[in-house]
Amino acid sequence: KQEVTQIPAALSVPEGENLVLNCSFTDSAIYNLQWFRQDPGKGLTSLLLIQSSQREQTSGRLNASLDKSSGRSTLYIAASQPGDSATYLCAVRGTNAGGTSYGKLTFGQGTILTVHP
Amino acid sequence: DTGVSQDPRHKITKRGQNVTFRCDPISEHNRLYWYRQTLGQGPEFLTYFQNEAQLEKSRLLSDRFSAERPKGSFSTLEIQRTEQGDSAMYLCASSLPRLAGRTDTQYFGPGTRLTVL
Repeated sequence: KQEVTQIPAALSVPEGENLVLNCSFTDSAIYNLQWFRQDPGKGLTSLLLIQSSQREQTSGRLNASLDKSSGRSTLYIAASQPGDSATYLCAVRGTNAGGTSYGKLTFGQGTILTVHP
Repeated sequence: DTGVSQDPRHKITKRGQNVTFRCDPISEHNRLYWYRQTLGQGPEFLTYFQNEAQLEKSRLLSDRFSAERPKGSFSTLEIQRTEQGDSAMYLCASSLPRLAGRTDTQYFGPGTRLTVL
């Protein structure tokens, strides 16, 4: 059974800092990994998706890396801003024996990020 | 492209009542997913449709839960004889299959918050 863990559970930083959020997963047979942002009481916004064959993806100030063999992904946020304050969720999509994908995402518990001015 | 929509956004019900939620996916997305999220946790997978076929179902989906997608467009999730433990945010997501030049990112709706008294 796939298990996803995110560290730290919460992080508070001053504006302008670069920061790293960590995600680890127990089963390396993944199809892809997705990072999401969730604002309080709201749905999820997709930030980045990394296919299993890829090592990293970038979007603006965000960079996500994937090391499938060690079961790890990191989300790097450059020059953090108060508007980045939210919960960040990592989710893994598994594969079956044939290499195709199950539909479901397995989520970590999230990292609550607070960026103060 | 108006995004994934869910209705209602909030539902308060008494224990033992039946409730039904609706999800309208992004137009032309043939894949639809339901997740449940409790406070402080990441979303948990409930079920997955490809067109009108329900292809995967979590053990979390007890016999009191039923989901349908009769015409391969919108979907409904019904909970019968609600219990206080059913109180959660119910999230719907949709996606397209992965093809060359296109990812199979899951896009989430705003969720339906259920409170069972």
